Amino acid sequence: GAGVSQTPSNKVTEKGKYVELRCDPISGHTALYWYRQSLGQGPEFLIYFQGTGAADDSGLPNDRFFAVRPEGSVSTLKIQRTERGDSAVYLCASSLMPSGANVLTFGAGSRLTVL
Amino acid sequence: GNSVTQMEGPVTLSEEAFLTINCTYTATGYPSLFWYVQYPGEGLQLLLKATKADDKGSNKGFEATYRKETTSFHLEKGSVQVSDSAVYFCALSDGGSGNTGKLIFGQGTTLQVKP
Repeated sequence: GAGVSQTPSNKVTEKGKYVELRCDPISGHTALYWYRQSLGQGPEFLIYFQGTGAADDSGLPNDRFFAVRPEGSVSTLKIQRTERGDSAVYLCASSLMPSGANVLTFGAGSRLTVL
Repeated sequence: GNSVTQMEGPVTLSEEAFLTINCTYTATGYPSLFWYVQYPGEGLQLLLKATKADDKGSNKGFEATYRKETTSFHLEKGSVQVSDSAVYFCALSDGGSGNTGKLIFGQGTTLQVKP
């Protein structure tokens, strides 16, 4: 597609529920990144995919968070047993290839609210 | 580890005033440096970048110079407009040994420009 698409744009859930957030990157982009942005803060890195594999998941806060990219394109971020502290905007970005100088293109984000 | 520190906001200016938003970084190796902007209701987008020492990135009247000796990448604009009101994020690429393109962001600086 023309840009990075994220769905849903807004998700309200109850504490303890399971949530999936989807990211559809720019066609042909091999690198995909998930970030979390809390109110008034900069985006924090969660996980990076090169192709189908998670090359760096050092930012995932705990084992309730998991992400997949089975065919090397669309990615899903999965959060189990949600907690109120998980409320944030979850951002997805993609780039043509992993490179320090390469520009990341971000989606509009999925705003998650855990009641 | 690598990190980015930005001046705290909000920064409030009158139209046509000179803008500086300070950004300093801590990093090993030779990261690339970026400024991203988030306009109200929109996603993060790249404003400018610099990939090596003494490089100057520029776009839409904004400039920033990669200063390795002072580990800084301050954002400047000679004459701001109301439409520049947004949140500005300084970031560096945490390439590590694999050049993943993963970005580390500062906390963001809110700019408000009044007519």
